[in-house]
Amino acid sequence: QKEVEQNSGPLSVPEGAIASLNCTYSDRGSQSFFWYRQYSGKSPELIMFIYSNGDKEDGRFTAQLNKASQYVSLLIRDSQPSDSATYLCAVKASNYQLIWGAGTKLIIKP
Amino acid sequence: DAGITQSPRHKVTETGTPVTLRCHQTENHRYMYWYRQDPGHGLRLIHYSYGVKDTDKGEVSDGYSVSRSKTEDFLLTLESATSSQTSVYFCAISESEVALNTEAFFGQGTRLTVV
Repeated sequence: QKEVEQNSGPLSVPEGAIASLNCTYSDRGSQSFFWYRQYSGKSPELIMFIYSNGDKEDGRFTAQLNKASQYVSLLIRDSQPSDSATYLCAVKASNYQLIWGAGTKLIIKP
Repeated sequence: DAGITQSPRHKVTETGTPVTLRCHQTENHRYMYWYRQDPGHGLRLIHYSYGVKDTDKGEVSDGYSVSRSKTEDFLLTLESATSSQTSVYFCAISESEVALNTEAFFGQGTRLTVV
């Protein structure tokens, strides 16, 4: 059973601080990794993806991948109240299926 | 925004009745998916399609069937609805399954309540 684990939260972070979200996965053959944001009552939307070890930056967002340790993280710098949402980690497994974590609820406190 | 429309957006139905949810896309993407989302669970794949009349089961396919007679439409049918099928259902589309950077685009979701 391929699994993706996330801390459900809520993770509370002061406005302007760095929010750090983590995700671990079980399938060593996983190929690519996605972070989606989901506002309450809305559909998931892609923030960024990563498939090489290391860091990938896009604006205030940085994805970090460590395949040896089987984890991927998302850092949000200068957190804003509009970043308050549930963040979903999705992993493209070795069979090309997307496996989803249950999500981490992030709350940015003004 | 990707052109994906789900209908209906909300539905309340009685146990034992058949229900069909529709997903319509205007992006001409090859892959279409039906997921359900429940509290405490990630998105769970019900069925997916990789072309017209080509479908396959996901991890939670029991009690559900699908059909894809046209590229743009993917139907999800609950043959005899049960209370355990109360959930939010999302349709998603993607261009490719194998490409590393393939993004899935989601419809607005359908909230289904089985009473």
